[in-house]
Amino acid sequence: RKEVEQDPGPFNVPEGATVAFNCTYSNSASQSFFWYRQDCRKEPKLLMSVYSSGNEDGRFTAQLNRASQYISLLIRDSKLSDSATYLCVTRSGGSYIPTFGRGTSLIVHP
Amino acid sequence: DADVTQTPRNRITKTGKRIMLECSQTKGHDRMYWYRQDPGLGLRLIYYSFDVKDINKGEISDGYSVSRQAQAKFSLSLESAIPNQTALYFCATSDPLGGVANEQYFGPGTRLTVT
Repeated sequence: RKEVEQDPGPFNVPEGATVAFNCTYSNSASQSFFWYRQDCRKEPKLLMSVYSSGNEDGRFTAQLNRASQYISLLIRDSKLSDSATYLCVTRSGGSYIPTFGRGTSLIVHP
Repeated sequence: DADVTQTPRNRITKTGKRIMLECSQTKGHDRMYWYRQDPGLGLRLIYYSFDVKDINKGEISDGYSVSRQAQAKFSLSLESAIPNQTALYFCATSDPLGGVANEQYFGPGTRLTVT
């Protein structure tokens, strides 16, 4: 079983829709959590960190549920430019090595 | 100019050939990484280096070697390429004291095809 699990999708949504992705992690020692965005054939880039209390950055909201060991990403008012693969990333305490999920593909259509 | 550069960007090579992928960075980070990405498998760590004298194997180091020539340069070698090493290869850097600790900064990737 992979340490970080994501639904690969694709999630196919119309512009303006709200879409949510979940990610589960198996390492209970995980302490840091992130969402990265990867456009087709491009390098991944940090979208946002995920804090215990949840955090928001514009149309994006990230939540962490430590008890159930999952994190989520909510995108409101989807734009065509949000089409990408979203990678869930964890890092355990004392380790500087991140663990990447396989990614969830989002397609926003007109 | 890009902070993390990779050369070549695309390469087609034959089975058994030796090939080197190069990575350079201007971010001043001590930590550098090599990953490969395959469809459906996500990013997997090949090797990482926390400073010039530090080299560590990742989860899939077999068939690969690395060299950290300087703080800014980290090269990945395939001594004898095989077709299942066909993949997209990314170099990355990080800074443990950065704004987002250990945020990974990726290069643009090298698309390698082994025939």
